[in-house]
Formats: sequence, C-alpha cells, structure tokens
Amino acid sequence: GENVEQHPSTLSVQEGDSAVIKCTYSDSASNYFPWYKQELGKRPQLIIDIRSNVGEKKDQRIAVTLNKTAKHFSLHITETQPEDSAVYFCAASGPGAGSYQLTFGKGTKLSVIP
Amino acid sequence: NAGVTQTPKFQVLKTGQSMTLQCAQDMNHEYMSWYRQDPGMGLRLIHYSVGAGITDQGEVPNGYNVSRSTTEDFPLRLLSAAPSQTSVYFCASSRRDFNQPQHFGDGTRLSIL
Repeated sequence: GENVEQHPSTLSVQEGDSAVIKCTYSDSASNYFPWYKQELGKRPQLIIDIRSNVGEKKDQRIAVTLNKTAKHFSLHITETQPEDSAVYFCAASGPGAGSYQLTFGKGTKLSVIP
Repeated sequence: NAGVTQTPKFQVLKTGQSMTLQCAQDMNHEYMSWYRQDPGMGLRLIHYSVGAGITDQGEVPNGYNVSRSTTEDFPLRLLSAAPSQTSVYFCASSRRDFNQPQHFGDGTRLSIL
C-alpha cells in the first residue's frame, strides 16, 4: 500500500518568515495530494490540495508544489502569522477505488513565534 | 448544513465494554470513513464505505465493526473495548467522485480504562 513520509516533525519559525513542509510518497499511481491543518483539539481542515496534472497551486500565502518524478510534494507558507501555528498533515491517494483512501503523513507541528 | 456530526464528544469505557460511535452527515456524500488519531501517528483509516450497504476495511480494522444502512449514517462499533483503542476518532465524508476533499467531524475522544 501507499506510504507517506513527512518532514520535519516539528518546525519553529519567526513571525513573517516562511515555512516549508515536505512529504514523500511511495505509490507512483497516487494522483491526489491534500494538506490538512489541525488546531489543538479541533478537526483536521483542508487548506489546499493538488492533483497530479498540476505542478504548483497557490492560495494567498499558501502554496503546494508537486514533483511526480521524485514522488514528493511540499507545502509552503509565506509571511507566517501566529494563527498559522498548528499541526499540518499531508496525505496521498491513488486512482480508481484507491482514490477514496487517504494515507496520511504523521504530521508537522508548526510553531510561529511572535 | 451541519456537515459531519459525531457523538459523543467524549467517552470513558472500561475494558471489555462495548459501545457505538455515531457519525452522521447531511451533505448527501456517498463516501464515509473512520480514522483514529494517536500521538505521533497521524490519522489511520479504520473502515470506509462508498455507499449504503457497502463497507470495507482500512489500515487498522481489528476490534471495530461498521455498517452503512443509510447514506447519512456510518456508526463505528467497538465490540469489546481494549486500552489500545484509547484514541481520538474522526469520521469523514466526501462525494464519491475520485479525489474529492474529505470533510471531517469534530471527533470523539475515547478513553478505555
């Protein structure tokens, strides 16, 4: 089955700096890569996703890049703010019946220091 | 729309007890799933369903049962609770089309003593 590795497990940045979280996946057939943000005690919430026919996607301060050849994708947060502090999860799923099954990374705890 | 609703929010059980975690969605989503979240482990898929009457196992199905009699509801049953099942459980739903965003409920925090 699919295996998703996520790095780093913890990340501290100064307010205003950029943060980058990287994930690698094992199944070359995977074609959907969402990112979720989870605040303490809350539900995971989708913040951005990318499909394999796209190399990069941006939404205001958040961007995701995908390298299908290397089987890795990254989340970029620019101009970080204290409210960006949370745990971020990457995930991957494949085509066909497997597209319903998300395999998650183990998460990155991002701390933005004011 | 309420989205995905999970009940209860918190529960404490004794080893060997059984219980059902409830999940309901009002978005007419065909796909529903249950995950457990443990510290440092991310979210792991327990069971999922692609429509009423259809269920299948995920990564960690042992000790759990599910059924899907309606589109709206997808309960998760613990048959004989064990301390290893202490976790936060999330239900999620999405449209059945491929690669659709999954919407999560608020979770059930379950402790087994």
